[in-house]
Amino acid sequence: KAGVTQTPRYLIKTRGQQVTLSCSPISGHRSVSWYQQTPGQGLQFLFEYFSETQRNKGNFPGRFSGRQFSNSRSEMNVSTLELGDSALYLCASSLGPTGSYEQYFGPGTRLTVT
Amino acid sequence: AQSVSQHNHHVILSEAASLELGCNYSYGGTVNLFWYVQYPGQHLQLLLKYFSGDPLVKGIKGFEAEFIKSKFSFNLRKPSVQWSDTAEYFCAVISPNNNDMRFGAGTRLTVKP
Repeated sequence: KAGVTQTPRYLIKTRGQQVTLSCSPISGHRSVSWYQQTPGQGLQFLFEYFSETQRNKGNFPGRFSGRQFSNSRSEMNVSTLELGDSALYLCASSLGPTGSYEQYFGPGTRLTVT
Repeated sequence: AQSVSQHNHHVILSEAASLELGCNYSYGGTVNLFWYVQYPGQHLQLLLKYFSGDPLVKGIKGFEAEFIKSKFSFNLRKPSVQWSDTAEYFCAVISPNNNDMRFGAGTRLTVKP
C-alpha cells in the first residue's frame, strides 16, 4: 500500500506570495492532518480534516487554511507569506479521527520563504 | 490544552547501553500517547502507541514504553541501543475529546559505534 505523498517536496517562495501544498493520504484513510515543523518551535499542529470537514485547528493565523476533497486528498494554503513561514510542512493521514487512530506521516514539503 | 515535555534534548550513548527517554504531559483527562521516530533524512514513523489496556506497550525495533497515569508520564525504553537507533524521538499526546495533537520538542539520540 502506498504511503502518504506530498507535493511538491521543495518550494522556494518570496515574501507576500501565496503557496498551496498538496497531500494524498493512504488509500482508505479519511482523516488528514497538517503540521509545521521548525527547529525553534518543533512540531505544531495546524489543522485536521475528516470527511471534508475541518475538525480542529491549531493556533495559527488565518493566513493558513486548508481543505479536503471527496477523495480525501487535502491541500493547505498559506497566503501573504512571511519569512517565519519557512518550515517543513508535514501531512499525516489516519483511518479515522486523529484522536482514536494512529497517524502515518508523509515526507513533508520544505518551504523556504525569501 | 495539553502540553508535552521531553526533558532530554540530546542524548549520547554507546552501543549496547540502555536507553530511557522521558516524556511528561499535562492533561487531566483521557489521552492517547505515542512515540514517533525520525531517522536522518526520513519521515516520521510510529514506534509505539498507547490507547488503553496494559500500560507497558511494546513497539517496533525492541522499543517499549510505560504509561504511568499518576505521574503523567510515558517514558520510552530500550535495553540495548544500536548505532542504527540514531534518530530524533518525539513523544505525542492527543485527547480524543479535543483532537488537539501535541508533540514534545523531541530528543536527539546519538549512538556511538
